[in-house]
Amino acid sequence: AQTVTQSQPEMSVQEAETVTLSCTYDTSENNYYLFWYKQPPSRQMILVIRQEAYKQQNATENRFSVNFQKAAKSFSLKISDSQLGDTAMYFCAFMNFTTSGTYKYIFGTGTRLKVLA
Amino acid sequence: NAGVTQTPKFRILKIGQSMTLQCTQDMNHNYMYWYRQDPGMGLKLIYYSVGAGITDKGEVPNGYNVSRSTTEDFPLRLELAAPSQTSVYFCASSNTGYGYTFGSGTRLTVV
Repeated sequence: AQTVTQSQPEMSVQEAETVTLSCTYDTSENNYYLFWYKQPPSRQMILVIRQEAYKQQNATENRFSVNFQKAAKSFSLKISDSQLGDTAMYFCAFMNFTTSGTYKYIFGTGTRLKVLA
Repeated sequence: NAGVTQTPKFRILKIGQSMTLQCTQDMNHNYMYWYRQDPGMGLKLIYYSVGAGITDKGEVPNGYNVSRSTTEDFPLRLELAAPSQTSVYFCASSNTGYGYTFGSGTRLTVV
């Protein structure tokens, strides 16, 4: 069965510095998607960045980038130039399509990130 | 242990029709959520519930209604379906600190 593990329950970083959030996953599938979501107190899930497993190039979105190591099943998120608005809960997620045509969406337990002024 | 069960898996609706997406969880989770995911996009929160009898709007609640009469069930009702509601719908549940458990999704097409 697929699993997603975020081993850092809480992290903090000084404003303007760089922080990396870790995520590992386990799957026997070859085609899947990986996501990082940000969850503010409103509880909505805001997509930060996504990565298709078939793409070797690491995804980047402005200050957010990932280090995708498919063989190691690792998908870490790097936030550069951290801003106070980055303070939130961050979830790593795995998704694939099953042979029965349904979706498998698995979230990690989250990392609470606090950006310090 | 079934986790979160969503039905149906697929549905095609005509414009103006109504339907209910069912969601049941057997983990005694307090929190339940309905999300939609449009192609290439992230999850958008429609409604959520922090316990039986308590529901609240998420980011995109218009055109939907929910109820939470029991801890286990959290149905999502679509009234007067519109093409803009074509999406994949995910139900999820959680307890604080334990992450989310998602259902297998419902692919809805409105024509």
